[in-house]
Amino acid sequence: SQQGEEDPQALSIQEGENATMNCSYKTSINNLQWYRQNSGRGLVHLILIRSNEREKHSGRLRVTLDTSKKSSSLLITASRAADTASYFCATDSRQTGANNLFFGTGTRLTVIP
Amino acid sequence: EPEVTQTPSHQVTQMGQEVILRCVPISNHLYFYWYRQILGQKVEFLVSFYNNEISEKSEIFDDQFSVERPDGSNFTLKIRSTKLEDSAMYFCASSEMSVTNGNTIYFGEGSWLTVV
Repeated sequence: SQQGEEDPQALSIQEGENATMNCSYKTSINNLQWYRQNSGRGLVHLILIRSNEREKHSGRLRVTLDTSKKSSSLLITASRAADTASYFCATDSRQTGANNLFFGTGTRLTVIP
Repeated sequence: EPEVTQTPSHQVTQMGQEVILRCVPISNHLYFYWYRQILGQKVEFLVSFYNNEISEKSEIFDDQFSVERPDGSNFTLKIRSTKLEDSAMYFCASSEMSVTNGNTIYFGEGSWLTVV
């Protein structure tokens, strides 16, 4: 299975602090995407990083990718209470070539005002 | 900004009943998907659809499930005879091109299905 795992499963920080979430996956990929999900809501796309990229930035988000370790990290800087949500990484599979995404288990982030 | 829209947002149905969940993907997208998320669990792939046919499906997508694009805008998921374990949030999604080419999948807000 390609499905990844995020850690930690839950993270609680104070507003203004940085939050780092990690994701690992199992087989080779073409790209990795991070999504955010507010409780009971849909998945919102945050950022996509391709397998030939090592780091990408978008606003307060910084994503890294290490294909040799099959891992990625999502850093949210200067967190806000509104960042409270679950964060998922999702990958395709270069091995199968299947056109779908495999989601990790998610990190539940709580930002305390 | 274009978005994927889903109806209904919540449906309660009796076990054994048929359910149809509806979706309007983003208009210029060519690939369509259904995913589901059982409460508190990970998001699971059900099926992808391209060029008016299923391109991939998971083990979850058994004979009780079917998808259809009845016209140029709607994309539906039908569960023929619902079971208690079908209770979940069902997400429709679409992408302009294939994920393997680095395209983003955009998700709708989901349809909560509760089977009683």
